[in-house]
Order: sequence, then C-alpha cells, then structure tokens
Amino acid sequence: AQSVTQPDIHITVSEGASLELRCNYSYGATPYLFWYVQSPGQGLQLLLKYFSGDTLVQGIKGFEAEFKRSQSSFNLRKPSVHWSDAAEYFCAVGNNAGNMLTFGGGTRLMVKP
Amino acid sequence: ETGVTQSPTHLIKTRGQQVTLRCSSQSGHNTVSWYQQALGQGPQFIFQYYREEENGRGNFPPRFSGLQFPNYSSELNVNALELDDSALYLCASSSGQHEAFFGQGTRLTVV
Repeated sequence: AQSVTQPDIHITVSEGASLELRCNYSYGATPYLFWYVQSPGQGLQLLLKYFSGDTLVQGIKGFEAEFKRSQSSFNLRKPSVHWSDAAEYFCAVGNNAGNMLTFGGGTRLMVKP
Repeated sequence: ETGVTQSPTHLIKTRGQQVTLRCSSQSGHNTVSWYQQALGQGPQFIFQYYREEENGRGNFPPRFSGLQFPNYSSELNVNALELDDSALYLCASSSGQHEAFFGQGTRLTVV
C-alpha cells in the first residue's frame, strides 16, 4: 500500500529565509508525486508535480522539488519565503494515472515578519 | 475554461440524515475523484468515477456512494450520517495521464 509521511507538522520561518518541507513516500513502482498548497478553508492548488525525467522540478510561486529515489523523498524548497506563502502544504503520491492520490498529513507553514 | 465547482459550500445536517454533494468537473475532464478532509488532516481518497463508472475506491463504507453523469459532473451521497462525517469534502477532476484539479470543497457539519 502506498503512503506519504510529512515529518514536520508545523514549521515557522522568517520572511526572506529559505524553506525546505520534507516528504517521504512508500510506493511499489515509479511514483507520481505532487505538492499541493491549501489556504484556510480553501481547496488545493497544485504547486508542482513529478511524473518522470528530470528529478528537479520547478513549480509555481518560485517553488521547486527534488525527487530522490534512493531516499524515497520528494522535498519541497523555496530560496526566499514571502509572507503570502503561509499556508498548509501537502505532499501526495498517485497511481499510474496520476490520480487516486494518497496524501501526507500536511505541514503548516508560518512566516514571521 | 471553467474550473472545478462544488455546491453547496457549507451545510449542516443532523446525525442519521442523508446528504448529496455536487461537483462540476473542469471542461474537458472525464474523471472525477472525491476526497474527505477531516480537520487538521490530509485529504483521504473516497472514490473515483471515469465515464460514469466507479473506477476505484478507498477505505470508506458503502454508505458513501456516488454518481457521474454524461456531462462528467458528479454527486457524492452519504447515508446515515455520523458525527465523524463532519469534514471538508473535495472534488477533483482530471483527464488522461494528467494531474487533478481541485474544487474549493464543501464543508459538512453533522450535529
């Protein structure tokens, strides 16, 4: 069975500082990996995805993520955080069709001025 | 192109009642998935519909059921509501080997 672990429930960073959110997955085949962001009471917005190819993927809002098969990880990074990045971030793994997603528990990001 | 829309945005039901939630998929998308997100947790996959047929199901009891219509819109029905059914219900649509796009969700409160 596939699973996703986000070890950090809460993270607080200062505005302008760099950010890394951790994601570890368990999946039997080549995974389809996603990062979504959710503002309070809202739906999920896709930040980026990895299906195949280059293991460093670029997304929207200046985010990037690196797929490391040997570590079963797909960590999300941003070089300089903005106050508007404060939200809940979810890592997910999908089946072959990129659907039927299994989500991690989420990481809540707070940004200090 | 229109996005994924869900209705209603909020509703309150009494334990034991039945509820129907609706989702209009993004234009051109033929697959709809439903997720339940309890407070403070990640979304959990309920089921998926592809061309009006259930195409996959998560670990949810049979009182959670769904439909997909010829225009690819979808309904989620929950019978015999329990307090633990209180959650944000998210609909996502997709097409082929592409990522899913989510609606804003329906907040269900069971009292």
